[in-house]
Amino acid sequence: EDQVTQSPEALRLQEGESSSLNCSYTVSGLRGLFWYRQDPGKGPEFLFTLYSAGEEKEKERLKATLTKKESFLHITAPKPEDSATYLCAVRPGGGADGLTFGKGTHLIIQP
Amino acid sequence: GAGVSQSPSNKVTEKGKDVELRCDPISGHTALYWYRQSLGQGLEFLIYFQGNSAPDKSGLPSDRFSAERTGGSVSTLTIQRTQQEDSAVYLCASSLGSAKNIQYFGAGTRLSVL
Repeated sequence: EDQVTQSPEALRLQEGESSSLNCSYTVSGLRGLFWYRQDPGKGPEFLFTLYSAGEEKEKERLKATLTKKESFLHITAPKPEDSATYLCAVRPGGGADGLTFGKGTHLIIQP
Repeated sequence: GAGVSQSPSNKVTEKGKDVELRCDPISGHTALYWYRQSLGQGLEFLIYFQGNSAPDKSGLPSDRFSAERTGGSVSTLTIQRTQQEDSAVYLCASSLGSAKNIQYFGAGTRLSVL
């Protein structure tokens, strides 16, 4: 069974304090790992997709990396507007096209 | 439209009633997905459409749940004889349907079953 586990469940940082969010996965034939950001009352907003181990993607203060067992979302010098729930999802191999999501990491950046 | 549109944004219903949730995908997106997000849980995949066909219905939790898509565009998720455990946010996403597709989500419909 495909599984995605995110840690920590919640993280509180001071503005400017860098950290990393973890996404561990077990999947049969990975066809993509996705990071989304979700603000309260809104749908998930796409951030990154990674397809193979060693791949990295960057956008502003965020950087996503991928290994064969996990992905990290590194946040450098975060600002209060980076506060959100960050979701990790995998697209398994085979014919299935639905994503399997983790429960997310609730990130709070304090000014 | 510019993004995925879902309606209504909120729906309150009584146990045992039927409800219909609507999703209008991004123009040109051939693939459409329904997910459910319950309190404290991750997003749970329900069903996937490619065009008007649903090759993957594996996530539908019971036969009270059904979905259709017409004209390769708008989709409706119907829940019959609603139960309290159906209370959740129902999210719709669409994608181009290519091999490396990215799913773009709507804001969701918050369903409350009293």
